Amino acid sequence: DQQVKQNSPSLSVQEGRISILNCDYTNSMFDYFLWYKKYPAEGPTFLISISSIKDKNEDGRFTVFLNKSAKHLSLHIVPSQPGDSAVYFCAASARAGFQKLVFGTGTRLLVSP
Amino acid sequence: KAGVTQTPRYLIKTRGQQVTLSCSPISGHRSVSWYQQTPGQGLQFLFEYFSETQRNKGNFPGRFSGRQFSNSRSEMNVSTLELGDSALYLCASRLAGESTDTQYFGPGTRLTVL
Repeated sequence: DQQVKQNSPSLSVQEGRISILNCDYTNSMFDYFLWYKKYPAEGPTFLISISSIKDKNEDGRFTVFLNKSAKHLSLHIVPSQPGDSAVYFCAASARAGFQKLVFGTGTRLLVSP
Repeated sequence: KAGVTQTPRYLIKTRGQQVTLSCSPISGHRSVSWYQQTPGQGLQFLFEYFSETQRNKGNFPGRFSGRQFSNSRSEMNVSTLELGDSALYLCASRLAGESTDTQYFGPGTRLTVL
């Protein structure tokens, strides 16, 4: 049972445009969400997080939006740069207790010059 | 501050053998989690250790085991290797194990089973 889903395995965007990566979850107990970026042969790198008490969190070029009623979150990258080309994973957890992170299957973003 | 380190980075084994992977967390971090990444499967949670105790466990067979030492370093062991165990094994550490603590990942160990 895939509790965190990233339905788009890949996304291609031109440099300077907006990249929008989507993530859906099914577990209503999830109340903390994160995005990680992963380059080949490296471990994932933390990008940005959001708790369920917010619907938006911004950090530089990266903004995460959370729609709790739709159980949907998205990561916006503006403007996209070729160095953003990587696999992006969303992850979720329930904050009560020491809950594990549940990851999606990832979306490969390719930003072309 | 040094990041999460994993050794070895690459490993080739044959079916039936066993393997031990090592992870050193960021200094001061007491929680270590292990993940398996295979193509198309994302990161699948194996287990988490906190203060030398296994706190969470994923849906993996008993061939996968781990432990954590008093200095928070962790090892993962896979016995009776199968071809399907070929994967990137990632270790992540976080400060105190709270769900809102950011997990920091190591570079991974690439295991190939022949």
